Amino acid sequence: GAGVSQSPSNKVTEKGKDVELRCDPISGHTALYWYRQSLGQGLEFLIYFQGNSAPDKSGLPSDRFSAERTGGSVSTLTIQRTQQEDSAVYLCASTWGGGPSYEQYFGPGTRLTVT
Amino acid sequence: QQQVKQSPQSLIVQKGGIPIINCAYENTAFDYFPWYQQFPGKGPALLIAIRPDVSEKKEGRFTISFNKSAKQFSLHIMDSQPGDSATYFCAASNSGGYQKVTFGIGTKLQVIP
Repeated sequence: GAGVSQSPSNKVTEKGKDVELRCDPISGHTALYWYRQSLGQGLEFLIYFQGNSAPDKSGLPSDRFSAERTGGSVSTLTIQRTQQEDSAVYLCASTWGGGPSYEQYFGPGTRLTVT
Repeated sequence: QQQVKQSPQSLIVQKGGIPIINCAYENTAFDYFPWYQQFPGKGPALLIAIRPDVSEKKEGRFTISFNKSAKQFSLHIMDSQPGDSATYFCAASNSGGYQKVTFGIGTKLQVIP
């Protein structure tokens, strides 16, 4: 079956512009996570969704970052007024969330470059 | 606060060598320790995982060693191959929570022919 998909794969934007990153999880996966991967920083947790709700937003670095999920499926991560330090690879992962399954399935990521 | 500490950040070995990546954790509530492998341009993928009730787990050429008392675990890659060149992340999770996975900083492994 299809894996987790993310779009766009690459995004170059000017400082100050808003960007939207999209994640399509594996069908049937109720849990969805966003991470940010920067050089030398590993995988930084941003937000977790269970269904359409986000019980853990603790990793969002500032109020310029927001995310939503609709229909228990697609999620969008929005970054407003982008800054150069927002440049990173943004990864989305999903799990079925119905039991002790800790395997997260990752998408290929969106590489964001803020110029 | 870095809850899962991983070292080294980069590692170069020759083909056939045995690279070892080490991780340490602080939270004793963690009860699941996966390793993820990431190739350039791809997302991480689960490689192997262990629970704290066993001290070692092998899958093919990959072995996890786990020391519960020291709160440390490590990944060994036997007979390493150039195709093993990738970034490896150790991680930890707590079944008492919502399965949030905390990742280490990653180790970039290069296996040279």
